[in-house]
Amino acid sequence: DIQMTQSPSSLSASVGDRVTITCRASQYISTYLNWYQRKPGKAPKLLIYAASSLQSGVPSRFSGIGSGTAFTLTISSLQPEDFATYYCQQSYTPPPTFGQGTKVEIK
Amino acid sequence: EVRLVESGGVVVQPGGSLRLSCAASGFTFDDYTMHWVRQTPGKGLEWVSVISWDGGSTYYAESVKGRFTISRDNSKNSLFLQITRLRTEDTAFYYCVKDMAMSTSWYFDHWGQGTLVTVSS
Repeated sequence: DIQMTQSPSSLSASVGDRVTITCRASQYISTYLNWYQRKPGKAPKLLIYAASSLQSGVPSRFSGIGSGTAFTLTISSLQPEDFATYYCQQSYTPPPTFGQGTKVEIK
Repeated sequence: EVRLVESGGVVVQPGGSLRLSCAASGFTFDDYTMHWVRQTPGKGLEWVSVISWDGGSTYYAESVKGRFTISRDNSKNSLFLQITRLRTEDTAFYYCVKDMAMSTSWYFDHWGQGTLVTVSS
């Protein structure tokens, strides 16, 4: 199975900050990389698919970039509703696998 | 609006069985592949199983193969997961998840809120 590694595991940031989360795949996955947001008690939400395509309804402050084995999710200006845990997931080869998550907390 | 509502999560003893259900609405259910994904405290998010739009094709994670069975009833817009020979490591929130496509894309565009399965003696 393809291993997905996110960094950092957690971060503290303030409203308005630019936040970057990195995801690395253990092997080549082209741009078959998706990002999800999970808040406690709520259904996980797809933010970005195919590395850089913004899911319908997701604010434009979220963006993704990368290909091959290295990917980045950026939140350009962190908002109060963005404090959550973020996961990357590869959809290149089954079984699909997820990163361990990055928890974004309020500084 | 797409809605996926899971049910059936309970506390069960090791070796026991249960059936999870997912009621889908807000989209044409039989147009899409469906999945189950679980979240455990120790292993994070783990994909469990997938079923094609017509139920004719299924696939399982190695960790559950032979113990879990996914199925669907398109006439009732429902997805199911039959779980047998439960282990403590099966303790998790189980999410019903819609694929973005009819043919499996492995992009998960809508998730339910999950149902908790606790395996404990």
